[in-house]
Amino acid sequence: DVKVTQSSRYLVKRTGEKVFLECVQDMDHENMFWYRQDPGLGLRLIYFSYDVKMKEKGDIPEGYSVSREKKERFSLILESASTNQTSMYLCASSFKRDGSDTQYFGPGTRLTVL
Amino acid sequence: AQSVTQLGSHVSVSEGALVLLRCNYSSSVPPYLFWYVQYPNQGLQLLLKYTSAATLVKGINDFEAEFKKSETSFHLTKPSAHMSDAAEYFCAVSDLMDTGRRALTFGSGTRLQVQP
Repeated sequence: DVKVTQSSRYLVKRTGEKVFLECVQDMDHENMFWYRQDPGLGLRLIYFSYDVKMKEKGDIPEGYSVSREKKERFSLILESASTNQTSMYLCASSFKRDGSDTQYFGPGTRLTVL
Repeated sequence: AQSVTQLGSHVSVSEGALVLLRCNYSSSVPPYLFWYVQYPNQGLQLLLKYTSAATLVKGINDFEAEFKKSETSFHLTKPSAHMSDAAEYFCAVSDLMDTGRRALTFGSGTRLQVQP
């Protein structure tokens, strides 16, 4: 069974703080993704990575950065958190690069920025 | 970039009634299409996917979806709703990014309520 874990279920931070969200998958998947989920907007892709140390911008990368030093771990970084980054953040992973493969999701981190 | 439209942000059905959740995509080439479900306080899990095989795709929990190229649709159905089907449902299409890589574009979601 594929398992994708995220470091926190709930997180509360203050404006201007640097925030790290961690994601780990245990199935040797090539691809990893970070999304944010907001009511009425569905999931929007922030960044994804198809290999160690490789990253690509998604639809809404502004205000975020990522790091993938090891294949199983993909970190999302908010350099200076702002209130408009209050959201649910979902990590996912998949094996193939052709887009046909299932993405496996973590349980999500609900981030509140005060 | 592709877009995915889910008609109806909320759908309510009675237990035992037909479930129909609508999804239309914009694509000039046959895409890969997915339906995911999100139960409260959980991540998303795959219901079913279309990857250029049979146009009628069967998924878990008796859900199925039909790919109709002429209508650019991939509607999700279930013959008889169960209380446990109450969740949010997302349609997604595999999109080709500018870099040549593929990533999913999601619809805005449809929340299904099942009335006893």
